[in-house]
Amino acid sequence: SYVLTQPPSVSAAPGQTARITCGGDDIGTKSVHWYQQKPGQAPVLVVYGDSDRPSGIPERFSGSNSENTATLTISRVEAGDEADYYCQVWDDDSDHPAYVFGAGTTVTVL
Amino acid sequence: EVQLVESGGGLMHPGGSLRLSCAASGFMVSDNYMNWVRQAPGKGLEWVSVLYPGGRTFHADSVRGRFTISRQISKNTVSLQMDSLRPEDTAIYYCARGLGSDTTGPHLYWGRGTLVAVSS
Repeated sequence: SYVLTQPPSVSAAPGQTARITCGGDDIGTKSVHWYQQKPGQAPVLVVYGDSDRPSGIPERFSGSNSENTATLTISRVEAGDEADYYCQVWDDDSDHPAYVFGAGTTVTVL
Repeated sequence: EVQLVESGGGLMHPGGSLRLSCAASGFMVSDNYMNWVRQAPGKGLEWVSVLYPGGRTFHADSVRGRFTISRQISKNTVSLQMDSLRPEDTAIYYCARGLGSDTTGPHLYWGRGTLVAVSS
């Protein structure tokens, strides 16, 4: 089955940029989605289709995807961005198509 | 306003069965991609099942043959029938609605989840 690899943690000071990677075999050929989850809350979609943002998500959140790595970039990091972030793709390259999540990355604001 | 409200969670013994329900408002479940996603305590997200508008379903390897997703159009609800429960099924179960008509699309709307605990 398809595997997505994320770093366990990323940190950034307020106002700086945080970059979270999501590695996968030829992930550049897939559509990548990103979710933010704060403690005790349901996940929130922050980027979909590699680089689109749902309504209400700040422009500070952006995404890219190429070859074997997708990246979520949080510009001008704020304290409220501290959360777990998950990447996701739909893997239809098998007899049993499925959504796959990365293991998640904890973003700490220093 | 789109809302999803899960119910039916609880404490179960291994081997038991449980049926989760997701009540939707603000849209029709029959017109959308509906999913169940779970999260074990202190762990990451794990996709469980999807139900397409056309009725097709897919399940994760870890639950295939034990869990079944379905919908009740008259009640505008989606259900997850969980049989042969195992301790590793212990998790918060979220109901989530897809975005648009893309089969590879994301989960835009989420409920607050319902807790399922499986223990002897």
